[in-house]
Amino acid sequence: EPEVTQTPSHQVTQMGQEVILRCVPISNHLYFYWYRQILGQKVEFLVSFYNNEISEKSEIFDDQFSVERPDGSNFTLKIRSTKLEDSAMYFCASGTGFDSPLHFGNGTRLTVT
Amino acid sequence: AQSVTQLDSHVSVSEGTPVLLRCNYSSSYSPSLFWYVQHPNKGLQLLLKYTSAATLVKGINGFEAEFKKSETSFHLTKPSAHMSDAAEYFCVVSPLSGGYNKLIFGAGTRLAVHP
Repeated sequence: EPEVTQTPSHQVTQMGQEVILRCVPISNHLYFYWYRQILGQKVEFLVSFYNNEISEKSEIFDDQFSVERPDGSNFTLKIRSTKLEDSAMYFCASGTGFDSPLHFGNGTRLTVT
Repeated sequence: AQSVTQLDSHVSVSEGTPVLLRCNYSSSYSPSLFWYVQHPNKGLQLLLKYTSAATLVKGINGFEAEFKKSETSFHLTKPSAHMSDAAEYFCVVSPLSGGYNKLIFGAGTRLAVHP
């Protein structure tokens, strides 16, 4: 069964550094999402992406965050200058349509020191 | 605004006994509701979904959930727990009827299954 794959599984970075989290959605999917879960807190929506543009974003998704689909297969989340509070598990998800189930990746655990 | 409350952070059952994971929701209109499961070191997997059709929804691995509007509940049940059911379970609501965009997650319930 096709899967959403995320790399790396764990990334450690220093505060102030840029980090790029990578995701390969399922190949025929058109809708792409990032969610995150800070340790001990709820999974939170960050952003949705469709037709090469952001369709919706949360208050968390400020100017420090950006998403990109640089080619036909990857979907990336960039954090320009990481803060300690960006430490979290980041989940990528994709779906075929607005009302289709989301398929989630295994997540990337980001640790900012 | 939509929200979900999972009433138990941890549930422990013996193998072969019933499972009940409780979820209450708050929504200003008819919501779409889901249960997701996360096994250790795995992604979030959809167990089942409710989108205003039948109130009793059957999912994968023998799980089912009943939508009760009068109680604003969407509890997850399974008649007989298996060791492989040990995982974290999330009750989720979508602000848009039938849509999956911008899911709102509950805090999760960790299910332990003992021999």
